[in-house]
Amino acid sequence: DAGVIQSPRHEVTEMGQEVTLRCKPISGHDYLFWYRQTMMRGLELLIYFNNNVPIDDSGMPEDRFSAKMPNASFSTLKIQPSEPRDSAVYFCASRPTVTDTQYFGPGTRLTVL
Amino acid sequence: QKEVEQNSGPLSVPEGAIASLNCTYSDRGSQSFFWYRQYSGKSPELIMSIYSNGDKEDGRFTAQLNKASQYVSLLIRDSQPSDSATYLCATYAGGTSYGKLTFGQGTILTVHP
Repeated sequence: DAGVIQSPRHEVTEMGQEVTLRCKPISGHDYLFWYRQTMMRGLELLIYFNNNVPIDDSGMPEDRFSAKMPNASFSTLKIQPSEPRDSAVYFCASRPTVTDTQYFGPGTRLTVL
Repeated sequence: QKEVEQNSGPLSVPEGAIASLNCTYSDRGSQSFFWYRQYSGKSPELIMSIYSNGDKEDGRFTAQLNKASQYVSLLIRDSQPSDSATYLCATYAGGTSYGKLTFGQGTILTVHP
């Protein structure tokens, strides 16, 4: 079975532009998580979904960030407008209800100039 | 106080030695604890989980949990250069086994030949 799939793997954009990151969780997994990793703040949870419903978005840094999960096999994280301080690696992870193990995707390295 | 704290290192050990990685947590209600390994430029992968006080062994890895002291550790026996990575300690918030997984800053381990 394929793991968590993320696209793009790398994104370079200019300040003020809209950025959309995409994630396909492992089939059958009920939970989906979006994380951000930086040297300064480490790995931090932004938002998570259960059965496509957002459960906790308290980690979303500000209104410029939004996330959606229109169906069980697809989620997006959007930043509009982007700022240089948004530069980070963004990971998507998923897990099934029956275990507490999260499986991470390869990540998207975002650079905002 | 951070919810999960680790010594950032770097920790350097010679090949064949025992590497000891430590983690403390602040939420006394935490029940599930995890060690993730992250190679440079890669995503975190789960290597150990522990739920009960005491030791849990898996190959060269041993996780130790002391809930009274709010302390989790990971021992790597017969360390190999391929063990060189960042090791992340994590626990679920609020004593749950779902939802928000909180990570420490990670300990960088270098195993030199």
